[in-house]
Amino acid sequence: KQEVTQIPAALSVPEGENLVLNCSFTDSAIYNLQWFRQDPGKGLTSLLLIQSSQREQTSGRLNASLDKSSGRSTLYIAASQPGDSATYLCAVSGNTPLVFGKGTRLSVIA
Amino acid sequence: DGGITQSPKYLFRKEGQNVTLSCEQNLNHDAMYWYRQDPGQGLRLIYYSQIVNDFQKGDIAEGYSVSREKKESFPLTVTSAQKNPTAFYLCASSTGLAGVQEMGTQYFGPGTRLLVL
Repeated sequence: KQEVTQIPAALSVPEGENLVLNCSFTDSAIYNLQWFRQDPGKGLTSLLLIQSSQREQTSGRLNASLDKSSGRSTLYIAASQPGDSATYLCAVSGNTPLVFGKGTRLSVIA
Repeated sequence: DGGITQSPKYLFRKEGQNVTLSCEQNLNHDAMYWYRQDPGQGLRLIYYSQIVNDFQKGDIAEGYSVSREKKESFPLTVTSAQKNPTAFYLCASSTGLAGVQEMGTQYFGPGTRLLVL
């Protein structure tokens, strides 16, 4: 059964710092991996989708990488801002619908 | 604007009562999903549907029921058999069914918070 782990569970950084969020999964037979953002009490917003054949995707200050063979993905956020404060979740799609990690709660301090 | 709407935003359930959560999408997506989110637990899949009049159980389907009579709509009923229904419920959709190569980005609604009186 696919399991997704996100480390750290919480992270606090000063504004302007570059940071990396980690996601690992136990079954490398995936079709794609998605990173989402969730603000308190809100739904999820898709940030990046990486197909299994891709190594990375970029959107603005965000860059997500995928190493399928080792079961790992990272989300890199450049020049963090207080508005980036939220919970970030990764999810993988294999032969079952999306399996989610529990998320990393990010706080960017002004 | 295209998107997913969920109603109500807050729902209160009395013991022994069935309640229905609404989910509507105008994205023309084939696949729709219901998730439950508890603090510190992450999202868990309740039910999902690829086409009209067809749906499958997810990991925690007991105490819940769904219908898919229209492509745009995927309501979730929380029955009296669900003994711990207090949670945040999220509806989502995608162009293809997750678990298939062609699945695109999954889009989420704003959620419904269910509380027990």
